[in-house]
Amino acid sequence: SYELTQPLSVSVALGQTARITCGGNNIGSKNVHWYQQKPGQAPVLVIYRDSNRPSGIPERFSGSNSGNTATLTISRAQAGDEADYYCQVWDSSTAREVFGGGTKLTVL
Amino acid sequence: QVQLVQSGAEVKKPGASVKVSCKASGYTFTSYGISWVRQAPGQGLEWMGWISAYNGNTNYAQKLQGRVTMTTDTSTSTAYMELRSLRSDDTAVYYCARDRFIAAAEYYYYGMDVWGQGTTVTVSS
Repeated sequence: SYELTQPLSVSVALGQTARITCGGNNIGSKNVHWYQQKPGQAPVLVIYRDSNRPSGIPERFSGSNSGNTATLTISRAQAGDEADYYCQVWDSSTAREVFGGGTKLTVL
Repeated sequence: QVQLVQSGAEVKKPGASVKVSCKASGYTFTSYGISWVRQAPGQGLEWMGWISAYNGNTNYAQKLQGRVTMTTDTSTSTAYMELRSLRSDDTAVYYCARDRFIAAAEYYYYGMDVWGQGTTVTVSS
């Protein structure tokens, strides 16, 4: 089955740029979606289809996807960006949705 | 506004079944599918399966095959997820999420863009 690998944690200084990676075999050929989840809340879609932002998501959030790695980039990180972030793809070979294990973002 | 509202928390004994509902509003229910995702305490997101509100087609996670059934009632714009033979490791928050736009029998993947508030299911003797 298809697997997605994320770092357990990423730290970023306030106002700097955070990058969260999502690794998978030839993930560049798939559409990657990213979710933000704050404690006690439901996940929120922040990037869909690799690099598209839903309405209401700040421009500070961006995404890219190539080769074996997809990346969520958060520019000018704010304290309110502290959350768990999950990547997700549709694996057509098994007809299943797959989530990465999640990355905890800490803003210092 | 577009929203999904789930039923309330449940406490079940091992071996029992639970059925969680997810009522949609603010959009054409049959134009999308619904995924169910669960999250055990302190753990990540686990996809459980998907149902088309257009024609009832389903995909289930392999590990839950045979224990889970997803259905929809288009007359009330409500999706349901039933999980049987509950075990302690089924204790989790269960979410429904709008997933896959459906047009002309084709599916379009834009991520899970609307989520329910979550339903806590506790399995304990």
